[in-house]
Amino acid sequence: NAGVTQTPKFQVLKTGQSMTLQCAQDMNHEYMSWYRQDPGMGLRLIHYSVGAGITDQGEVPNGYNVSRSTTEDFPLRLLSAAPSQTSVYFCASSQSIPGGPDTQYFGPGTRLTVL
Amino acid sequence: GENVEQHPSTLSVQEGDSAVIKCTYSDSASNYFPWYKQELGKRPQLIIDIRSNVGEKKDQRIAVTLNKTAKHFSLHITETQPEDSAVYFCAAIGGGFKTIFGAGTRLFVKA
Repeated sequence: NAGVTQTPKFQVLKTGQSMTLQCAQDMNHEYMSWYRQDPGMGLRLIHYSVGAGITDQGEVPNGYNVSRSTTEDFPLRLLSAAPSQTSVYFCASSQSIPGGPDTQYFGPGTRLTVL
Repeated sequence: GENVEQHPSTLSVQEGDSAVIKCTYSDSASNYFPWYKQELGKRPQLIIDIRSNVGEKKDQRIAVTLNKTAKHFSLHITETQPEDSAVYFCAAIGGGFKTIFGAGTRLFVKA
């Protein structure tokens, strides 16, 4: 199992550009989430999905879109990049058990810089 | 909205001493409380978790306690070692399956 994979590892964008951060998992997990991590602020939830075709907003969804057309993939789209979106982005997945999600497994992260 | 507060933000202990990190949460529907350790430049990794039907859980030098009435939970690390130095995050997951993290605690273990 590759676990949770993310591409790219590093990305530099100019203000106004758009791009998609890729996330894939091969564990057949139902739950997938995207977080951003800024210094001193911990991990903040951007969007999450409880299964294919179902997504919902987290704490900081503005400026980001997601879709979940398959169980394996959960891409994060930046519509028009802004310097405030400079951050490290983590994707995570977990299986469901009665009562909710189980242990989350994190991808290696994508370090994004917006100039 | 849902919120998780974590204290302290920085903790420095001598090797061999104990370390305690505390979190409080706001969503009374939260029922799963994991703790993650993150080393510099690495991804967060689960170290221990607890569910709402349990008051305490222990795994070797690490233990977690949960007080659902007061809506707080704590991480206890005994006999700390230099390799325990890292950032620790608590999280709470509620009925909507949203995961809310605390801001993190930077633990320094001095040899």
